[in-house]
Amino acid sequence: KAGVTQTPRYLIKTRGQQVTLSCSPISGHRSVSWYQQTPGQGLQFLFEYFSETQRNKGNFPGRFSGRQFSNSRSEMNVSTLELGDSALYLCASSLGQTETQYFGPGTRLLVL
Amino acid sequence: AQSVTQLDSHVSVSEGTPVLLRCNYSSSYSPSLFWYVQHPNKGLQLLLKYTSAATLVKGINGFEAEFKKSETSFHLTKPSAHMSDAAEYFCVVSSGSARQLTFGSGTQLTVLP
Repeated sequence: KAGVTQTPRYLIKTRGQQVTLSCSPISGHRSVSWYQQTPGQGLQFLFEYFSETQRNKGNFPGRFSGRQFSNSRSEMNVSTLELGDSALYLCASSLGQTETQYFGPGTRLLVL
Repeated sequence: AQSVTQLDSHVSVSEGTPVLLRCNYSSSYSPSLFWYVQHPNKGLQLLLKYTSAATLVKGINGFEAEFKKSETSFHLTKPSAHMSDAAEYFCVVSSGSARQLTFGSGTQLTVLP
């Protein structure tokens, strides 16, 4: 079974731009979570989607948003990019809301 | 509320010697605990998980962890380190209705030849 895939793998943007990252979960998985990983803050939870509904949200500003489609694929969007948004963005999927999460390889975003 | 403390930011061992990565957790509910490993420029790979069954959990690649409620610990061990074990290891907790995983700050494991 194919794992979690994330596109693109690398991205360079400039301050003020917006970006959309995509995540395709493992086939059959309905829950998708997003995490931000930075050297300074470590791994932090962004939000979780289950059946196209946001179920949980971490402590991030409203510039960070996401959505989930009927096929469970998910996108996250960051508007008005700041230098501090440079990070590895990880997506994880699970079968249901209480199952183990499996991670994709991440999208590395660099904001200049 | 839940939190995780990884007691060592760096651990260095010689190949063939035991590995011990320490983790303490705090949780208001019966927690699920995980260890994930991250190799350079890669995503996170699940090593093992504890979900209130046996307190000694066996994972992949010879790793195991023991859940000790009285000590609120979930230390990761391996009898004999291999060069390929060099990576960053994260202890993770999930509890109650909170679906989000709470990560420790990570332990960088170096394996010396």
